[in-house]
Amino acid sequence: GESVGLHLPTLSVQEGDNSIINCAYSNSASDYFIWYKQESGKGPQFIIDIRSNMDKRQGQRVTVLLNKTVKHLSLQIAATQPGDSAVYFCAEKGGYKLSFGAGTTVTVRA
Amino acid sequence: DVKVTQSSRYLVKRTGEKVFLECVQDMDHENMFWYRQDPGLGLRLIYFSYDVKMKEKGDIPEGYSVSREKKERFSLILESASTNQTSMYLCASRESGQETQYFGPGTRLLVL
Repeated sequence: GESVGLHLPTLSVQEGDNSIINCAYSNSASDYFIWYKQESGKGPQFIIDIRSNMDKRQGQRVTVLLNKTVKHLSLQIAATQPGDSAVYFCAEKGGYKLSFGAGTTVTVRA
Repeated sequence: DVKVTQSSRYLVKRTGEKVFLECVQDMDHENMFWYRQDPGLGLRLIYFSYDVKMKEKGDIPEGYSVSREKKERFSLILESASTNQTSMYLCASRESGQETQYFGPGTRLLVL
């Protein structure tokens, strides 16, 4: 069956450094991937997405990389700020629904 | 901006009570979803709806039902709440033909 997992449950980052959050997926038929950010007490918020026909997509301070060969997805955050402290989820879509990973908690150190 | 609202941020109920969780979206989206979120398990899909009066079971529908009488409103019902339904409940909506789901702030339910 499908499984989406993040490599590390927690990540501590120095303010100003770049963050890399990793995600592995198992369904090779998945054609769409998305990253969400969830701050404490709030619902998940869309960050960036990528389709399977791409291997890189950039947004504002964020980049998503997709490696279909090893079924790996990553989210890079440039110049991490205190407001980036949150739980980050990856999700994949294969078929009609999104399957979510458990999340990585990112803590930004001042 | 898409806005998805949920009727309560926190709820405390007793075992056996009937519980209603309400979700409203203001973007005329056809598709709406209910998830529960538990530590270490991520988001799990309970039910979804792709049109008024239409509903489909997700991965964990047992113990839940839903109602979609109007396009903007999707209700989750716990017919007889149990302690293992203590969780964070998240509602989401999505426009047909698009992939991105937009989430509400969540309802944290405690069943005693």
